[in-house]
Amino acid sequence: GQQLNQSPQSMFIQEGEDVSMNCTSSSIFNTWLWYKQDPGEGPVLLIALYKAGELTSNGRLTAQFGITRKDSFLNISASIPSDVGIYFCAGQTGANNLFFGTGTRLTVIP
Amino acid sequence: DSGVTQTPKHLITATGQRVTLRCSPRSGDLSVYWYQQSLDQGLQFLIQYYNGEERAKGNILERFSAQQFPDLHSELNLSSLELGDSALYFCASSVGIAAVNEQFFGPGTRLTVL
Repeated sequence: GQQLNQSPQSMFIQEGEDVSMNCTSSSIFNTWLWYKQDPGEGPVLLIALYKAGELTSNGRLTAQFGITRKDSFLNISASIPSDVGIYFCAGQTGANNLFFGTGTRLTVIP
Repeated sequence: DSGVTQTPKHLITATGQRVTLRCSPRSGDLSVYWYQQSLDQGLQFLIQYYNGEERAKGNILERFSAQQFPDLHSELNLSSLELGDSALYFCASSVGIAAVNEQFFGPGTRLTVL
């Protein structure tokens, strides 16, 4: 399947700091999605991006669809303890399949 | 609570056995997706059903099969289980047929194969 490289694998940050993570692929995607997974739960959609160059915000979260269509980033501003979890990027190609990155584990230190 | 239910929550079985995982989608959702999440692989898409019919296939092994019933619930059957099949299995549902429709994930079934 498609390979999505997500970085960093894990992050430890102080409460109030900004966070940035990204996702790259060797293939072009038509759609990029960002999910968050809390411990013991399934992933929850945070942001969906549908065209190259698109920049979308959802509260303290901002994500962009890279202009090459092979990458995306997610920023979280002014982190809070409940931001803890695993963040996954996911991309969709022309086929109706979603490919997920390996995740970024975020720890916020109060 | 996403509205997607999965049973059982935990399953422990032995190699060579067969198990069935069950998923009930959110009310009104016609698509059901199955994913496998293991520690070193992240989330892997297995298969999608839409209104009872198979719509998309991912990295699903031949030992695995799924179906969606007229009441829209779905079952994932795993047979001839191997140690490497130990993982979290998630079901997700969405209203439409396209994978980019927002998918709502269930809490998962943790399968342990001993």
